[in-house]
Amino acid sequence: GAGVSQSPSNKVTEKGKDVELRCDPISGHTALYWYRQSLGQGLEFLIYFQGNSAPDKSGLPSDRFSAERTGGSVSTLTIQRTQQEDSAVYLCASSALAGGTGELFFGEGSRLTVL
Amino acid sequence: KQEVTQIPAALSVPEGENLVLNCSFTDSAIYNLQWFRQDPGKGLTSLLLIQSSQREQTSGRLNASLDKSSGRSTLYIAASQPGDSATYLCAVTRNTGKLIFGQGTTLQVKP
Repeated sequence: GAGVSQSPSNKVTEKGKDVELRCDPISGHTALYWYRQSLGQGLEFLIYFQGNSAPDKSGLPSDRFSAERTGGSVSTLTIQRTQQEDSAVYLCASSALAGGTGELFFGEGSRLTVL
Repeated sequence: KQEVTQIPAALSVPEGENLVLNCSFTDSAIYNLQWFRQDPGKGLTSLLLIQSSQREQTSGRLNASLDKSSGRSTLYIAASQPGDSATYLCAVTRNTGKLIFGQGTTLQVKP
């Protein structure tokens, strides 16, 4: 596709359930990022994938959060046993260049509401 | 630890005014600085990317400057229009690859 695609756009779940959020980056982009934006807050870094290198997971807030990137393309962010504080917009971005040296293109985000 | 600050947090101006948004960062060892625009309920759109070796970048009515030594960047918007109303975010990148964002400046341009 022409841009970064995220799904679902909206997800409402009950506390304790697991959720999966999907990101399709721009074709050919080797760098992929996940960020979280809570109401009234700035963007919080979660994880960064670059090619075949080990991902930078330093931003994941707890071991309930995990992410994978299959075949260097699609990425899935999984949140296990969701809590109300996980409610936020989860944004994915991709870049053609490594190391944050290139322009980032963001998706529209997945809005997660945990009841 | 890199910290990015944007001032002001909110700004309201009449249409046609020129305006400046400010961004400051604590660690000058950056690869680049990017300015983004975010409309309500939407993702971020990249406006300008300034490499660490550059002093400024221009796109249409937008001009961004970078002063690494003082840890500052400004985004200048000329002849503002109501369609410029949005939140503007700056972000810096170091060799770790990840971007550190400021809290943003919410701009309202009144017709």
